[in-house]
Amino acid sequence: SQQGEEDPQALSIQEGENATMNCSYKTSINNLQWYRQNSGRGLVHLILIRSNEREKHSGRLRVTLDTSKKSSSLLITASRAADTASYFCATDDNNDMRFGAGTRLTVKP
Amino acid sequence: GAGVSQTPSNKVTEKGKYVELRCDPISGHTALYWYRQSLGQGPEFLIYFQGTGAADDSGLPNDRFFAVRPEGSVSTLKIQRTERGDSAVYLCASSPVGYTEAFFGQGTRLTVV
Repeated sequence: SQQGEEDPQALSIQEGENATMNCSYKTSINNLQWYRQNSGRGLVHLILIRSNEREKHSGRLRVTLDTSKKSSSLLITASRAADTASYFCATDDNNDMRFGAGTRLTVKP
Repeated sequence: GAGVSQTPSNKVTEKGKYVELRCDPISGHTALYWYRQSLGQGPEFLIYFQGTGAADDSGLPNDRFFAVRPEGSVSTLKIQRTERGDSAVYLCASSPVGYTEAFFGQGTRLTVV
């Protein structure tokens, strides 16, 4: 079964704008991760945030976590056309990883 | 190799046939995951191995699906009596321990005709 649920399902922005994607989940977690998938198959790990952290940065990525609301957000600043991809959150559920349906981000040049 | 390797990259099989999908994880990674992904959907969890044992197989959809990891490295996902609904991309990932950064293979695209 899926655990996380991303919102919006699709997002289209202009290059240079910021993109915000949200993830909601149902059960308590130890960690939450964000992954990216280009058209094709492999997923690439972006960032992991632990349940005792509220915010984390990595380059142009900023992730927040609100465990009281069971939600997380991924912000990509100064987007580029190369950021076009699907983005998924993954939560741990008894130490395995479960993904949501993802947000399809399109960055127009 | 340096990454997770999945073979074959594509597999076309007839309905009712048996298929095996192979995953070679990164050397030394104890955790191994199998997912399947349909077009436009997120990866659907199938099974998680910690070492040789299946720590969680609750995602396997029915008894036609089975996975093994006999020596704690290579894993094989086995599907019996394939159905057209089994068509999907099957993804494998490994990580050094459970639930840390996972490294994904490029997947096997299974088409059941």
